[in-house]
Amino acid sequence: KAGVTQTPRYLIKTRGQQVTLSCSPISGHRSVSWYQQTPGQGLQFLFEYFSETQRNKGNFPGRFSGRQFSNSRSEMNVSTLELGDSALYLCASSLEDNEQFFGPGTRLTVL
Amino acid sequence: GQSLEQPSEVTAVEGAIVQINCTYQTSGFYGLSWYQQHDGGAPTFLSYNALDGLEETGRFSSFLSRSDSYGYLLLQELQMKDSASYFCALNRDDKIIFGKGTRLHILP
Repeated sequence: KAGVTQTPRYLIKTRGQQVTLSCSPISGHRSVSWYQQTPGQGLQFLFEYFSETQRNKGNFPGRFSGRQFSNSRSEMNVSTLELGDSALYLCASSLEDNEQFFGPGTRLTVL
Repeated sequence: GQSLEQPSEVTAVEGAIVQINCTYQTSGFYGLSWYQQHDGGAPTFLSYNALDGLEETGRFSSFLSRSDSYGYLLLQELQMKDSASYFCALNRDDKIIFGKGTRLHILP
């Protein structure tokens, strides 16, 4: 069974631009969560989608948004990029709540 | 609020045993999870404690005490490949909260 895939793997943007990241979960997994990972803050929860609905949301500004499609694939969007948005963005899918399967992440650099 | 505390770094010797502690403050959760992340890699699930006590999976064991708001990950017979960051995480109804991670250094 294929694992969680994320595209692109690396991205460089400039301040003020917007970016869209994509995540394909493990087949059969309907829950997809997004995390931001930075050296100082560790993994921080962005949001979770289940069956095309945002089920939970973390403490991030409205510039961070996401969606999930009927095939469970998910995208997250960050608008008006700031330097502090530079991070590794991880997507995780799950079948049961106690185990998250993470993708390789998208490394976003904002210049 | 909710938070987890774990040491930022731990150093141990190959072949030895190491314990990584995790203390937490939260109003409620289903269980405590542990994840391993190698440099440049994705976090991978190691263990989950829904109940108090010890869970053993090969060389790794995890412990939870809800009365003490405390858990730990125990790694035995350390191997160089165990050099990685280890995260504890609280599984709540609304989200999973991760600690900031413990960097494990293993000396030959």
